[in-house]
Amino acid sequence: GAVVSQHPSRVICKSGTSVKIECRSLDFQATTMFWYRQFPKQSLMLMATSNEGSKATYEQGVEKDKFLINHASLTLSTLTVTSAHPEDSSFYICSPVAGGYNEQFFGPGTRLTVL
Amino acid sequence: AQTVTQSQPEMSVQEAETVTLSCTYDTSESDYYLFWYKQPPSRQMILVIRQEAYKQQNATENRFSVNFQKAAKSFSLKISDSQLGDAAMYFCACLRTSGSRLTFGEGTQLTVNP
Repeated sequence: GAVVSQHPSRVICKSGTSVKIECRSLDFQATTMFWYRQFPKQSLMLMATSNEGSKATYEQGVEKDKFLINHASLTLSTLTVTSAHPEDSSFYICSPVAGGYNEQFFGPGTRLTVL
Repeated sequence: AQTVTQSQPEMSVQEAETVTLSCTYDTSESDYYLFWYKQPPSRQMILVIRQEAYKQQNATENRFSVNFQKAAKSFSLKISDSQLGDAAMYFCACLRTSGSRLTFGEGTQLTVNP
């Protein structure tokens, strides 16, 4: 299967700070990137979809100014949680997709804890 | 819009026994894919099995097999000879080929008892 890395795997920050999460597809080019959020014992919730070189499309209820997504290259996408608050504490998972593939791969996830 | 429903929040099975996890879905697409993903405590999503909707034959991967009933929009997962390492959260998912967007079910937490 494809190799996807996510960094950091775990981060603890103070309320009001910003946190950047990186997602890399190591052995394929991701034309599309999905970002998910998962709360404990719940399913994955799609936050946004981004295509390389284009602005991200956000799901209803997800603040685009709070969750900044950059997909500047075919192997790297970043999610920045700006002015994080305790309610943003969650598990964030990236899922890059190569063009023409009908299978999604997943990063190992980032556990964000906002104090 | 697509929906995926897993009606069993929790299931348990004895080691070496067989267990079936249920999943129903609804989609207006004529062509789509169905998946079962496993999420162990590490929370890494792992693909268990995949089914193309146009294929009538049920997919099989070693101890894992599906019962795909297209008319009933049902896609259950059977795990044979359950092992302790099978304990995890299992998600059923549907993928539209037109948009590559996965829709997940709520998940089923599987416990394997020794």
